[in-house]
Amino acid sequence: DQQVKQNSPSLSVQEGRISILNCDYTNSMFDYFLWYKKYPAEGPTFLISISSIKDKNEDGRFTVFLNKSAKHLSLHIVPSQPGDSAVYFCAASGGTSGTYKYIFGTGTRLKVLA
Amino acid sequence: NAGVTQTPKFQVLKTGQSMTLQCAQDMNHNSMYWYRQDPGMGLRLIYYSASEGTTDKGEVPNGYNVSRLNKREFSLRLESAAPSQTSVYFCASCMGQANVLTFGAGSRLTVL
Repeated sequence: DQQVKQNSPSLSVQEGRISILNCDYTNSMFDYFLWYKKYPAEGPTFLISISSIKDKNEDGRFTVFLNKSAKHLSLHIVPSQPGDSAVYFCAASGGTSGTYKYIFGTGTRLKVLA
Repeated sequence: NAGVTQTPKFQVLKTGQSMTLQCAQDMNHNSMYWYRQDPGMGLRLIYYSASEGTTDKGEVPNGYNVSRLNKREFSLRLESAAPSQTSVYFCASCMGQANVLTFGAGSRLTVL
């Protein structure tokens, strides 16, 4: 049972426009969420995180929104740049049995067109 | 400042052979993790160690064993490799709960 889902395998956007990547989760006990970016042949690198006590967190061009009632989070990238082309993973952790477990989604491949 | 170091980077095994993937971190992190990445499957947690001296199963532990050798090192062992274990393996570490994971560069394993 996939606890963290990224239903869009791929996304293409024009340079300068907004990229919106979505992530859904099923475990209501998750209380900490992260986004990672991955280039080919490299390890994932951390982008931004959000705790369940917040509904928004910003860091430069990256903003993460959390909707706890819908069990949904999204990553907004504005403006999108060609260097943002990569695979993006969301991850979640939390709950009494999952505090140290970080569960990842299947990823969304973002392509930013110049 | 190496971060998380994985060895080897590439390995080819025959079915039934055994091998150990090594992982070391120099950030004084408490928790360490092993993930595998397969096309269309994302990153799946194999085993993790919340702190030195403890290990726990993740989402896909079958066919693997782990050892938290000390605070710095966390190894993943395949006792009898199978083609289904062909994958890219990532080690990660963090300070603890609700913290950022830092990943290594990955180890690509092919089982023939």
